[in-house]
Amino acid sequence: QSVLIQPPSASATPGQRVTISCSGSSSNIATNYVYWYQQVPGTAPKLLIYRNNERPSGVPGRFSGSKSGTSASLAISGLRSEDEADYYCAAWDDTLDVLLFGGGTTLTAL
Amino acid sequence: DVQLVESGGELVQSGGSLRLSCAASGFSLHNYWMNWVRQAPGKGLEWVATIKQDGSDKYYADSVRGRFTISRDYAKNSLYLQMSRLRAEDTGVYYCARDDSTGAFDYWGQGTLVTVSS
Repeated sequence: QSVLIQPPSASATPGQRVTISCSGSSSNIATNYVYWYQQVPGTAPKLLIYRNNERPSGVPGRFSGSKSGTSASLAISGLRSEDEADYYCAAWDDTLDVLLFGGGTTLTAL
Repeated sequence: DVQLVESGGELVQSGGSLRLSCAASGFSLHNYWMNWVRQAPGKGLEWVATIKQDGSDKYYADSVRGRFTISRDYAKNSLYLQMSRLRAEDTGVYYCARDDSTGAFDYWGQGTLVTVSS
């Protein structure tokens, strides 16, 4: 089981807003940046959010990240069918001295 | 354009060794931390190893420490992962990824498949 906990699945109808949570601890999320990656099955992961809430150029503004204490969230507003993918949070852990990935959340557009 | 191309993945017996390569183009390895991340079939992402720009610092996941070695060749602008004492649980797609200096993995290769038969 991953140290960063994500719900295994999430769903919403196109056009709706959906959030994916990532729960960690004082040694990772609380004290380090959180990153989010999107992976369409069969392809390489893609950086979606860096430094908690920054978007790389080319990532649509409907993707946003936030962090509070030992938890972080990825929000997607105006869900589109092409957003169907697996989403992973990541953060460095100061105690374990390793980079952690969450277990991943499979997002479905109903 | 930045590009990362992995190679070297193949079927290998348990206990065997393998070296993965990641050829970088469009940027110099001199300037970036580099990483290996793997994904077992049907599973999530798992960070494997990281190497600093100058190679002076290396970090490993507990699951591979002592068995895997990350390295780089500046002349070839390539990253490597030497894997030994392979186990069935090392099976998966191995990606190399560039750290953009903020801790974010901004470019990824297409991955190379390693299969360890028991």
